[in-house]
Amino acid sequence: RKEVEQDPGPFNVPEGATVAFNCTYSNSASQSFFWYRQDCRKEPKLLMSVYSSGNEDGRFTAQLNRASQYISLLIRDSKLSDSATYLCVVRTSRYNQGGKLIFGQGTELSVKP
Amino acid sequence: DVKVTQSSRYLVKRTGEKVFLECVQDMDHENMFWYRQDPGLGLRLIYFSYDVKMKEKGDIPEGYSVSREKKERFSLILESASTNQTSMYLCASSPGTMRDTQYFGPGTRLTVL
Repeated sequence: RKEVEQDPGPFNVPEGATVAFNCTYSNSASQSFFWYRQDCRKEPKLLMSVYSSGNEDGRFTAQLNRASQYISLLIRDSKLSDSATYLCVVRTSRYNQGGKLIFGQGTELSVKP
Repeated sequence: DVKVTQSSRYLVKRTGEKVFLECVQDMDHENMFWYRQDPGLGLRLIYFSYDVKMKEKGDIPEGYSVSREKKERFSLILESASTNQTSMYLCASSPGTMRDTQYFGPGTRLTVL
C-alpha cells in the first residue's frame, strides 16, 4: 500500500466549477500536511499547508481528518489557470532533521473554457 | 524569494558515463534533497543532507551518491549511468524545522542512451 494515495485523475471540469481532491495517508504518526501544485514541465510549488482546524486561502480550502487519515483540497470557481497537477504531501517523523516529505502521485486537473 | 538552481535543464549521457548534477540554494537552508520523478511513481527521495558533509539515504539510493562540501551546494552523482536512470531529477531545500516546506529547483531532465 502506498504511503500517500491520491486519485490520479484527470479531472476535467468547466470554468467556474467546484472540484474536490482527496488524499489518504497510511502513517498515523505523520506530522505535517501540504498541498503542492505542479505545472506541466515545472517544479512543484507549495500551494498551502493543511491544519487540523482546516484552512482557507481565497478559492482554496484544505481539510485534515487525522482520525480517518484523510486530507482534502476544495477549489471553488475554477479558473483556466488552475489547470495543473496537485500533489498531496505528508511529512513523517522518520528522520531527525527536517523530516521527510512523502509525495502522492498527484491528481491532474484540467479546467476547460 | 528562495532560489534553488540546478546546473542543467536537459542532459543527455551515454550508458556507463559518470554524471554530476549540481544544485545551489541561496537562502542558507540547512536541508537539501535530491528526488527523481517518474510517471506513475511520483517523486521519490534519493538522498538528503541536513548539514555540510552529512548525508542520509532516501528511498532509492542505489546507483547514486551525493556530496555536500558547502552549505549552499548539493551534488548528485551517478557513478555509472544506466538507462533506468533516465528521469527528471529535482533538487529541493528547506530551512530545517519540522513544519518547513521544501523549495524546489527547476529540475534536470536526464536521458541516458
